[in-house]
Amino acid sequence: DTGVSQDPRHKITKRGQNVTFRCDPISEHNRLYWYRQTLGQGPEFLTYFQNEAQLEKSRLLSDRFSAERPKGSFSTLEIQRTEQGDSAMYLCASSVDGLSPLHFGNGTRLTVT
Amino acid sequence: GDSVTQMEGPVTLSEEAFLTINCTYTATGYPSLFWYVQYPGEGLQLLLKATKADDKGSNKGFEATYRKETTSFHLEKGSVQVSDSAVYFCALSDQSGAGSYQLTFGKGTKLSVIP
Repeated sequence: DTGVSQDPRHKITKRGQNVTFRCDPISEHNRLYWYRQTLGQGPEFLTYFQNEAQLEKSRLLSDRFSAERPKGSFSTLEIQRTEQGDSAMYLCASSVDGLSPLHFGNGTRLTVT
Repeated sequence: GDSVTQMEGPVTLSEEAFLTINCTYTATGYPSLFWYVQYPGEGLQLLLKATKADDKGSNKGFEATYRKETTSFHLEKGSVQVSDSAVYFCALSDQSGAGSYQLTFGKGTKLSVIP
């Protein structure tokens, strides 16, 4: 069990640029979740996948955000035309199924200047 | 909608002191309740959970009891150690129609234990 891996750990970008983050879940975990955490707040749900299917998206996930999990393994989260308000820690989590606890990665910290 | 309220920090305790971090929740259904811990530089880790009323979750000396009548899930530990210094998050899961096991988190409480 190598844990949930996220890349990069840190990303600094200028406003208006596009960024993409990657998440590698624990092997054989069917569920994959994306959360966002801003300073002083708890994580907020963004979206989740069951295998390659994206089954739910939060209202927080604006049109500038897109997530994929093309082969049901790793996932990417892309933010287009970044804004300063997108600065946050983006967390990925995985679980065996919908009833099992989530295992979180260490997150990708995004800073938009 | 669902929400979790936990006591604001930071909390600073001396080693071997008793710890309580309060957590109350609002949910429409019958949620499962969790405490997650985030040690410095690490990801969130599940500390303990309870899935129904009157259940007690426990792990590493920490305990929390699911109290439906007071909608609470307070975290306690009888004797804290320096290694318990971390941020603690209370969370609930009130399964959506798609069974997403979506978690709603509180804001977190930072605990610092001094020798």
